[in-house]
Amino acid sequence: AQKITQTQPGMFVQEKEAVTLDCTYDTSDPSYGLFWYKQPSSGEMIFLIYQGSYDQQNATEGRYSLNFQKARKSANLVISASQLGDSAMYFCAMREPNSGGYQKVTFGIGTKLQVIP
Amino acid sequence: NAGVTQTPKFQVLKTGQSMTLQCAQDMNHNSMYWYRQDPGMGLRLIYYSASEGTTDKGEVPNGYNVSRLNKREFSLRLESAAPSQTSVYFCASSGSGLPPGELFFGEGSRLTVL
Repeated sequence: AQKITQTQPGMFVQEKEAVTLDCTYDTSDPSYGLFWYKQPSSGEMIFLIYQGSYDQQNATEGRYSLNFQKARKSANLVISASQLGDSAMYFCAMREPNSGGYQKVTFGIGTKLQVIP
Repeated sequence: NAGVTQTPKFQVLKTGQSMTLQCAQDMNHNSMYWYRQDPGMGLRLIYYSASEGTTDKGEVPNGYNVSRLNKREFSLRLESAAPSQTSVYFCASSGSGLPPGELFFGEGSRLTVL
C-alpha cells in the first residue's frame, strides 16, 4: 500500500488565486510528521512546510499553509495568492520512526503546478 | 554555506560500466540518504545511513552499494550500470534539529546509462 498518495498529476491555477494540492497518507504510528517540498525546473528540492502529528494547529509559512485533517489522514498544501514562481513540482512526504534508528521519509509521486498569468 | 554537495552533476555511462556518486555534508548531520527520482514515481530511497559506520537498504537497493566513509561523506556506487538506472540521484542528510526528519538535499546528479 502506498504510504503517501498524491492524486493530482497536474494542476493549473490563475496568478493571484489560491490553490490546494492534495495529499493523503497512511501510517499506524502515532508519532509522525508531514512535509511539503517544492522542486522547480532547476531541480533542487526546497523545504516548504512541516506538520507534526501532535500539532494542534495547522502549520503556516507565509503564503503556504497545511490543511491537516488527522482523522481523514490528509495533509493538503494550500498556496494563497499564487505567483508565477510557484510553478513547480510539489512533493508531499511523511516522516515516521523506523526500527533502523532513523527517521524514514517517504515521498509521494508529486503534483506539477502551473501558474497561468 | 555548502550544505550537501554531490558530484558529479551529470554523467553518461555505457551499460556495464561502474561509477561512484560522491556526497558530502557540512552540517554535522548523523543521517544520510540516497534517493532516486524517476518520472511518475517520486523519490524512492535506495540506501540510508543512520549514523557513521552503519548503512542499510531502502526501497530500491538492487544494483547499488554504499559507503559511509565518515560522518561527512556517503557515496553511492553502481558496479555494473544498467539502462534501468538512468535517473536523477539525490543525496540528503538530516540531523537532530527541528523539524525532526527534515531532509537537506544536494542539487542532484543526472545519470544516463546507454
